[in-house]
Amino acid sequence: DQQVKQNSPSLSVQEGRISILNCDYTNSMFDYFLWYKKYPAEGPTFLISISSIKDKNEDGRFTVFLNKSAKHLSLHIVPSQPGDSAVYFCAASTKIQGAQKLVFGQGTRLTINP
Amino acid sequence: SAVISQKPSRDICQRGTSLTIQCQVDSQVTMMFWYRQQPGQSLTLIATANQGSEATYESGFVIDKFPISRPNLTFSTLTVSNMSPEDSSIYLCSVGQTPYGYTFGSGTRLTVV
Repeated sequence: DQQVKQNSPSLSVQEGRISILNCDYTNSMFDYFLWYKKYPAEGPTFLISISSIKDKNEDGRFTVFLNKSAKHLSLHIVPSQPGDSAVYFCAASTKIQGAQKLVFGQGTRLTINP
Repeated sequence: SAVISQKPSRDICQRGTSLTIQCQVDSQVTMMFWYRQQPGQSLTLIATANQGSEATYESGFVIDKFPISRPNLTFSTLTVSNMSPEDSSIYLCSVGQTPYGYTFGSGTRLTVV
């Protein structure tokens, strides 16, 4: 039972354009959503998060949008740069028996073309 | 945010043997998390390790297969026991909390032959 889904395994975008990465979830009890970026041979790096009570959070070139009614969130990267080429994971947080736990999507490999 | 040193970074092991992975954090943390990423899959939480108590395992993971130690607030180990090729994965440790984000170690790429 995949509670967090990233349906696009890969995405290719021209440098300077907008990259939009999508994520769907099924559990309405998730209280935070987070995006991570992962380069090969490195651990995931935290990018940005959003509370379930917000619909938008922005940090520099990164903006996350949350649509609770559709159980959908997206990460926008503007403008896209070659260094953004990586695998991006969407994650959702919930409290289970007093402990905060993260559930991850399968990841989307983003390639920025020069 | 915390800095995590994880080792080994990779290993190739014979089936039936065990491998212990270490994570050292540069600050004291209450909880440490251990994840597995199987090839082409998402990260899956194995267990949560609290200092001074037994680790809490997620469904599908058992202590006999993945024993965890947490001797102090900056260190933890995960052992993958009696390995089979199905255990070939990347194993990661993590610390942190929402909404500030979790910090991950660089991962241990395990191949079982």
